[in-house]
Amino acid sequence: GDSVTQMEGPVTLSEEAFLTINCTYTATGYPSLFWYVQYPGEGLQLLLKATKADDKGSNKGFEATYRKETTSFHLEKGSVQVSDSAVYFCALSGRTSGSRLTFGEGTQLTVNP
Amino acid sequence: EPEVTQTPSHQVTQMGQEVILHCVPISNHLYFYWYRQILGQKVEFLVSFYNNEISEKSEIFDDQFSVERPDGSNFTLKIRSTKLEDSAMYFCASSATWAAEAFFGQGTRLTVV
Repeated sequence: GDSVTQMEGPVTLSEEAFLTINCTYTATGYPSLFWYVQYPGEGLQLLLKATKADDKGSNKGFEATYRKETTSFHLEKGSVQVSDSAVYFCALSGRTSGSRLTFGEGTQLTVNP
Repeated sequence: EPEVTQTPSHQVTQMGQEVILHCVPISNHLYFYWYRQILGQKVEFLVSFYNNEISEKSEIFDDQFSVERPDGSNFTLKIRSTKLEDSAMYFCASSATWAAEAFFGQGTRLTVV
């Protein structure tokens, strides 16, 4: 079945550092890929998405590129802020699994001033 | 901005008791979902609901679980006889169309004692 694997966390960075959170997936066909973010005490919010190979999703300075050849969707940001501290979830919606989302384990990011 | 609302934010119940978790999806959305996250584990799909019936369910969603849209605005998840292992954060979500962006509520933390 479909699955998503994220890099092990937690991740701790200093403000203005470069962020990469790795995400790889296994799916039948060509899934849609998502990054969700969960700030403390809040629900899951969609951060960005990509629906086909080579698409780049971007939002709030975060970017991720749908790489079919490496089955990856790594999240990057050039300069993190303290306010980016949250849990980040990679997810996919498979073409053959309807509208359900399959999530990765989540990565806790802490950004220190 | 429209949002998905879940109540209560925290529910404590005794093992064997029935519990109902409440959700108000975004008003013009057609697809509704329940997910859960056991502490320290992945967010897992439970069930999706469309046109007043279940469209998909996971192996977790056994006979102890049921969903209902009783009045055209609320979307409920019932657990008939709670077990200790049902303790988790339960997220409701809705989307406008099949495979569109899902909007999540803030979650209900269920603790079974």
